Amino acid sequence: GIQVEQSPPDLILQEGANSTLRCNFSDSVNNLQWFHQNPWGQLINLFYIPSGTKQNGRLSATTVATERYSLLYISSSQTTDSGVYFCAVDAGKSTFGDGTTLTVKP
Amino acid sequence: GAVVSQHPSWVICKSGTSVKIECRSLDFQATTMFWYRQFPKQSLMLMATSNEGSKATYEQGVEKDKFLINHASLTLSTLTVTSAHPEDSSFYICSARTTFGGANTEAFFGQGTRLTVV
Repeated sequence: GIQVEQSPPDLILQEGANSTLRCNFSDSVNNLQWFHQNPWGQLINLFYIPSGTKQNGRLSATTVATERYSLLYISSSQTTDSGVYFCAVDAGKSTFGDGTTLTVKP
Repeated sequence: GAVVSQHPSWVICKSGTSVKIECRSLDFQATTMFWYRQFPKQSLMLMATSNEGSKATYEQGVEKDKFLINHASLTLSTLTVTSAHPEDSSFYICSARTTFGGANTEAFFGQGTRLTVV
């Protein structure tokens, strides 16, 4: 099946810093989503982005489908951005990456 | 975005009993629903995919007689953990999506159910 790799696995930032999270996938996909899992386990939809670039406030994402990767940018990070960020790809069925655990320190 | 409601949020049950978890799409018709399992500090693992009115498709290694999935309507899917044992304790999450123009759309997730079997 398709392989999804996220990097880095862990990221510690000072409040106000910027960061880039990466998601590589091993085969063509129908769509790709980015999620933030909060401390209670709820998955919050960030982006539905099979290709191209989208922005939502301090967050933006870019997927280059031909090169099989997606990037999630977080600018001016806040402590509330802490948590686990997952990308999930759909190539017939959904496959999640292992996630990036982000810790933003005040 | 669309809303998917999962109930209960947490449940404690005795070993050997069965537990039912409900997943509802509140403001859209879900042609496909998914059930995932997540262990602490791990990613989500797909257990099964269900399409309304059809039998669920289980992933390799998931016991279909133990994890019964029913998708009787376009807004409701249920997961029943039968004869639960402590090793079934986990965080179970459902998601739902619809199709538009023949293409799959964005998937939305329920709040998750934390199951503890004692």
